[in-house]
Amino acid sequence: DQQVKQNSPSLSVQEGRISILNCDYTNSMFDYFLWYKKYPAEGPTFLISISSIKDKNEDGRFTVFLNKSAKHLSLHIVPSQPGDSAVYFCAASANTGNQFYFGTGTSLTVIP
Amino acid sequence: DAGITQSPRHKVTETGTPVTLRCHQTENHRYMYWYRQDPGHGLRLIHYSYGVKDTDKGEVSDGYSVSRSKTEDFLLTLESATSSQTSVYFCAIKAQGAYGYTFGSGTRLTVV
Repeated sequence: DQQVKQNSPSLSVQEGRISILNCDYTNSMFDYFLWYKKYPAEGPTFLISISSIKDKNEDGRFTVFLNKSAKHLSLHIVPSQPGDSAVYFCAASANTGNQFYFGTGTSLTVIP
Repeated sequence: DAGITQSPRHKVTETGTPVTLRCHQTENHRYMYWYRQDPGHGLRLIHYSYGVKDTDKGEVSDGYSVSRSKTEDFLLTLESATSSQTSVYFCAIKAQGAYGYTFGSGTRLTVV
């Protein structure tokens, strides 16, 4: 049973606009969340993280928001650039952070 | 790169044959993981290791075994490959106390 869900398999956005990628989870024990970015034929690379003690974390153009009551997190990319076109995975972990559960991924296409 | 390599990068094998994939790290990290990536399923954990000779099962461990005889190497074995094991396999490493993984570039395995 999928504990981390990304219900949008794909998303297209115009260059310069905001991209919003969503992620839902079911396990209330999850307390640390990551976003990974993956280009074709490469391994996923770490993008940004957030702990459950926060509701927002920013790193340059990337911001992650966490709504614990709704068990929902989102990744905002502003402004979107063509190089952001990739598959984005969210991941969640409980307590130790030694095992992460991944979502199914959202393929983002930024149109020049 | 973070010092993690997977071999081979590509492999085609026949149903019923044994296959071993290798993950090698130069970071001396304690934790090592094997994930598989499939369309519609995202990344799913197969097995992981928390030290030499210390391993545990993940979400999709049936049909797979692992071994870790030294810190730097984590082997994934398909005892008798099946077509359902056609996938892209990713190894990941994590340092003690760190959050988040570093992934290898992946092994594309095709079972015919």
